[in-house]
Amino acid sequence: AQKVTQAQTEISVVEKEDVTLDCVYETRDTTYYLFWYKQPPSGELVFLIRRNSFDEQNEISGRYSWNFQKSTSSFNFTITASQVVDSAVYFCALSEVDSSYKLIFGSGTRLLVRP
Amino acid sequence: DAGVIQSPRHEVTEMGQEVTLRCKPISGHNSLFWYRQTMMRGLELLIYFNNNVPIDDSGMPEDRFSAKMPNASFSTLKIQPSEPRDSAVYFCASSSSPRGQYFGPGTRLTVL
Repeated sequence: AQKVTQAQTEISVVEKEDVTLDCVYETRDTTYYLFWYKQPPSGELVFLIRRNSFDEQNEISGRYSWNFQKSTSSFNFTITASQVVDSAVYFCALSEVDSSYKLIFGSGTRLLVRP
Repeated sequence: DAGVIQSPRHEVTEMGQEVTLRCKPISGHNSLFWYRQTMMRGLELLIYFNNNVPIDDSGMPEDRFSAKMPNASFSTLKIQPSEPRDSAVYFCASSSSPRGQYFGPGTRLTVL
């Protein structure tokens, strides 16, 4: 059965610190997709990134970077030089081809960036 | 281009009343999803449509919940009768591929 685990319930950092959010997933499929979403205090869910299971290349987008490792079933998210505006709940999600792409979400990690 | 549109944004109702939540997906997307978010259960999928046909409704909590998609540009989620435990944020999302689901702003439902 598919499952996404975000063990860090809440993280608090001081502005400009780097922070890594962990995500571990379980799936029996060989073809799947992994996602990160951001939910700021306003409540909407903002799509950040998608990765397919055949692409283990790390990705960097500005201050954001993602480390996908199939060997450890992990898809971790790092924010470099965090800012107060990064404060939000971050969700990791898994989508399997066989399940018609429905998303299975982790429980989320609440990030608080203090000035 | 407009994103996923949901209405109403906020709904306060009394126990026993019927509640209807509405969703307009992104034009061209052929998959539509309804999710519910609560503190206790997090984000959970309620039902999924593909090409207007319900594919997986295993997440619908009970018979009080029903969802329809009469055409490619409109879907409803109905709760009848509503109960206080239905209080949550309900999200609609649409997708055209595994590229990712795009979420609406959500409807915050409060049942008194």
